[in-house]
Amino acid sequence: GENVEQHPSTLSVQEGDSAVIKCTYSDSASNYFPWYKQELGKRPQLIIDIRSNVGEKKDQRIAVTLNKTAKHFSLHITETQPEDSAVYFCAASKGGSYIPTFGRGTSLIVHP
Amino acid sequence: DAGITQSPRYKITETGRQVTLMCHQTWSHSYMFWYRQDLGHGLRLIYYSAAADITDKGEVPDGYVVSRSKTENFPLTLESATRSQTSVYFCASSGTGWDYGYTFGSGTRLTVV
Repeated sequence: GENVEQHPSTLSVQEGDSAVIKCTYSDSASNYFPWYKQELGKRPQLIIDIRSNVGEKKDQRIAVTLNKTAKHFSLHITETQPEDSAVYFCAASKGGSYIPTFGRGTSLIVHP
Repeated sequence: DAGITQSPRYKITETGRQVTLMCHQTWSHSYMFWYRQDLGHGLRLIYYSAAADITDKGEVPDGYVVSRSKTENFPLTLESATRSQTSVYFCASSGTGWDYGYTFGSGTRLTVV
């Protein structure tokens, strides 16, 4: 089955810096890659996603890049703010199968 | 996001007791899922369902039972609760297609004493 590795497990940055979280996947048939943000005590919520026919997608301060050849994708957050502090999960799934495999999560801490 | 609700939000139960966690969604989503979340393990899939009366095991199914007699409900039962089942449980649902709207419920924090 699919295996998703996520790094780092913890990331500490200063407000205004950029943050990058990386994930690798094992199944070359995976073609949908969502990212979820989970604030303390709350549910995970989708923040951005990318399909395999796209190399990069941006939404304001967040962006996701995908390298299908290397089977890795990354979340980029620019100009980080304290409210970006949360646990971020990446996931991978295959078209026709709507069961994403999640990474173990990255705890992002943004220091004011 | 009020379209998927879990109950109760918090539950304390004793070892050996049966406990049922409820999940209800109003979108008529085909797929429903149960995850448990523990520190250091991320989100682990317990069971999922592709449609009413169709369920399948996930990564960590032992000790859990599910049913799905109606599309909108997907209860999770711990038949004989153990301390290792102390966790936060999330239900999720999704439709089909690229914009399948995979959405989580607000979670149930279960403590087994």
